[in-house]
Amino acid sequence: GQSLEQPSEVTAVEGAIVQINCTYQTSGFYGLSWYQQHDGGAPTFLSYNALDGLEETGRFSSFLSRSDSYGYLLLQELQMKDSASYFCAVEYGNKLVFGAGTILRVKS
Amino acid sequence: EAQVTQNPRYLITVTGKKLTVTCSQNMNHEYMSWYRQDPGLGLRQIYYSMNVEVTDKGDVPEGYKVSRKEKRNFPLILESPSPNQTSLYFCASSQVGVNTEAFFGQGTRLTVV
Repeated sequence: GQSLEQPSEVTAVEGAIVQINCTYQTSGFYGLSWYQQHDGGAPTFLSYNALDGLEETGRFSSFLSRSDSYGYLLLQELQMKDSASYFCAVEYGNKLVFGAGTILRVKS
Repeated sequence: EAQVTQNPRYLITVTGKKLTVTCSQNMNHEYMSWYRQDPGLGLRQIYYSMNVEVTDKGDVPEGYKVSRKEKRNFPLILESPSPNQTSLYFCASSQVGVNTEAFFGQGTRLTVV
């Protein structure tokens, strides 16, 4: 089966940079996605990496290395509103498989 | 406005009483799916549908049924709910073959007593 591992919790201060890692044990997947979820609300799409390398969207960037079975989400200039859960997900066949999520706590 | 609509948002029911959670999307997406979210386990896919009349099991399909008679609707059916199906449920839709940006509904918090 597919499994993705993320840290359960990360804490950072406002204005800092934080990296949330995602490692996976699967092959043949199409791409790695990242989603944000505030307090049990609807998850919202942040980014998608189909190819190795860095994708940048404003303050958020995402990276994928297929050879290392590894990806990360980079959040810059952290704001209090970034406090949320972040999930990596792989598109595997016709399924979307999520990691257990990382709770990001931003402190002032 | 592009959206995925789930109903109801909250539901308390008793063991064994059949229930249906509705999901509708207005984006003409081919792909729709259901997830359950439990603490520490993330989002686990229950069922998905590639298009009308095409459905398949996700990772945790036991105790659930789905149907896809129209492109916009994808209801989740619990024929005989049990307490271990108490969870937060999300419906999502996306275009097939694009960048898998999934749009999620607001969630249905189900409690089975």
